[in-house]
Amino acid sequence: QKEVEQDPGPLSVPEGAIVSLNCTYSNSAFQYFMWYRQYSRKGPELLMYTYSSGNKEDGRFTAQVDKSSKYISLFIRDSQPSDSATYLCAMDTDKLIFGTGTRLQVFP
Amino acid sequence: DVKVTQSSRYLVKRTGEKVFLECVQDMDHENMFWYRQDPGLGLRLIYFSYDVKMKEKGDIPEGYSVSREKKERFSLILESASTNQTSMYLCASRATLDNYGYTFGSGTRLTVV
Repeated sequence: QKEVEQDPGPLSVPEGAIVSLNCTYSNSAFQYFMWYRQYSRKGPELLMYTYSSGNKEDGRFTAQVDKSSKYISLFIRDSQPSDSATYLCAMDTDKLIFGTGTRLQVFP
Repeated sequence: DVKVTQSSRYLVKRTGEKVFLECVQDMDHENMFWYRQDPGLGLRLIYFSYDVKMKEKGDIPEGYSVSREKKERFSLILESASTNQTSMYLCASRATLDNYGYTFGSGTRLTVV
């Protein structure tokens, strides 16, 4: 079993939709949870981060962590074509472990 | 802004060649990492380094080695390139006390023919 599982998609939604991206994990030692966004032919860039359980909101983006279920989510409200990218969840102890990434396409 | 620079965007090498991938960061970060990214497999950690002259194996170190002679530079070496090492290689760095502060380079797309 992989330490971090993520549905690879692709996910295709119309502009303005609410997008939900999810990951599950198996290692209860993870404390730091991150979401990275990766545009084509670029390196990943940090989008959101949370420590332990709870919610965090930043503009149109909300990150949720449920440690009891070992489940993390990223919600994107009012999605835009510029949100089209691959979204990677990642978790950290002494090194960063990534999900496989979900490819999102937002069409006008 | 922290900048992580990878020396080449695209590289084509022949099977059996020794290949050097260079990564330089400009923010005095202690920790540096090499990942490879493949479709359906995500990013997988090859090697990482906590400090100069220190190195640790990641999840897939076979066929690779690394060198960290200076704090700002972390090199990935393919001793004898093989076609299954065709991939996107990503370098990252972070400060020791900043669990969130990973910064990635733009990647090197290596093709081994």
